[in-house]
Formats: sequence, C-alpha cells, structure tokens
Amino acid sequence: DAGVTQSPTHLIKTRGQQVTLRCSPKSGHDTVSWYQQALGQGPQFIFQYYEEEERQRGNFPDRFSGHQFPNYSSELNVNALLLGDSALYLCASSPSLKTEAFFGQGTRLTVV
Amino acid sequence: GENVEQHPSTLSVQEGDSAVIKCTYSDSASNYFPWYKQELGKRPQLIIDIRSNVGEKKDQRIAVTLNKTAKHFSLHITETQPEDSAVYFCAVRGGWMDSSYKLIFGSGTRLLVRP
Repeated sequence: DAGVTQSPTHLIKTRGQQVTLRCSPKSGHDTVSWYQQALGQGPQFIFQYYEEEERQRGNFPDRFSGHQFPNYSSELNVNALLLGDSALYLCASSPSLKTEAFFGQGTRLTVV
Repeated sequence: GENVEQHPSTLSVQEGDSAVIKCTYSDSASNYFPWYKQELGKRPQLIIDIRSNVGEKKDQRIAVTLNKTAKHFSLHITETQPEDSAVYFCAVRGGWMDSSYKLIFGSGTRLLVRP
C-alpha cells in the first residue's frame, strides 16, 4: 500500500513563474492538506480539501490555490512566484476531516 | 488564533538517557495533539498522538502526557538511541471554528543522541 506520494520531488523556478505541485493521498484517505515548511521551521498550513472543496485556508495569499479531484488527489498551484516561496511543500492526507494526518515526502521548491 | 510554543529548540543527550520535549498551546478547546519526527531530508513521520480525553499515552520507548488545565503536553523518549536523532515537532488541532481542521506546529526541537 503506497503512502502519500508527491511529485515532483525537486523543482527550480524563476521569479514570476507559476508552479503546480501534485499529491496522491494514501489509499482510503479522502482529505488532503497542504503545508509549507521553510528551512528550520515547522510546517505552516496552507489549505485543506475535502469532497473537492477547500474546507479551510491558512494565512496565505490568493497566489496559492488548489484543487482536489474525484479520486481525492490534489494539486497546489502558486502564481507569480517570489523568492520567499522557496520551501518544502508537504501534502498530508487523512481518512476523514479530523483524524491523523500522514505526510508525503514533499516537493522542494527553489525560486531563483 | 492558536499559538504553539515548543522547548527546547535543541537537546543533546547521551545514549541511554531520557529526553523530554515540551509544548504549550493557547486555545483551551484544542483536542488533538500529535508528535512528528523529521529526519534530515525526509517527511514528518507521526510517532505518537493523544486526544484531549486522555492524560497519557505510551508506545514502547515513547510517551506523551497532556495537562489540559495548564495547556501543555510533553514528549518523553526513554533509553534514547542514536537513531532517535532528528527534529521533533509538536502540533495541535481542534478548538473553535478557526482551527478545527488544520494542524498548528511548534518550531521544532533538534534532538542529538550522542553514542
């Protein structure tokens, strides 16, 4: 049984570009959350998707958007990239809204 | 909103000794408290969690205690081994509307177990 998988594992983008990150949840999980982890810090909540809808959002600008598909997989889109968007982006899945969250290996985004 | 403070930021112990990491939170309605271990370059891994209706939970060498009155919870690792070396994060979820789904993480504790 595959756990939470994310793609790509590493990505380098230029300021102003757009990026799409992908996440496949663990089998049996229907809830996907995205987190941003800057170097040396704890993960920060971006948003959560459940039943293909954004259920809750953290303190991130509208440049960050997402989507959940009928098979529960999810995408994170970031527009107009800034240098400060460089971070590890983590996806976490849960079997329902308020239970344990299991993380993927993350996508390391570097903006130059 | 919810705030989580984690101490210490770094912790160095001799192999075989115990390690204790503490977190405090601000929202008294919080009801779920997981701990994650993150090795260098790897994903955060859930190692133990506790819910607000339980005061203590143990899994082999790892235990978590929760004091809801004081709004703090702690991770205890006994008989530490070099492979316990990693960054440990506490997190909090629950509470009222604003924080009912997201996990709010502490700033992390870098644990070094010296052989």
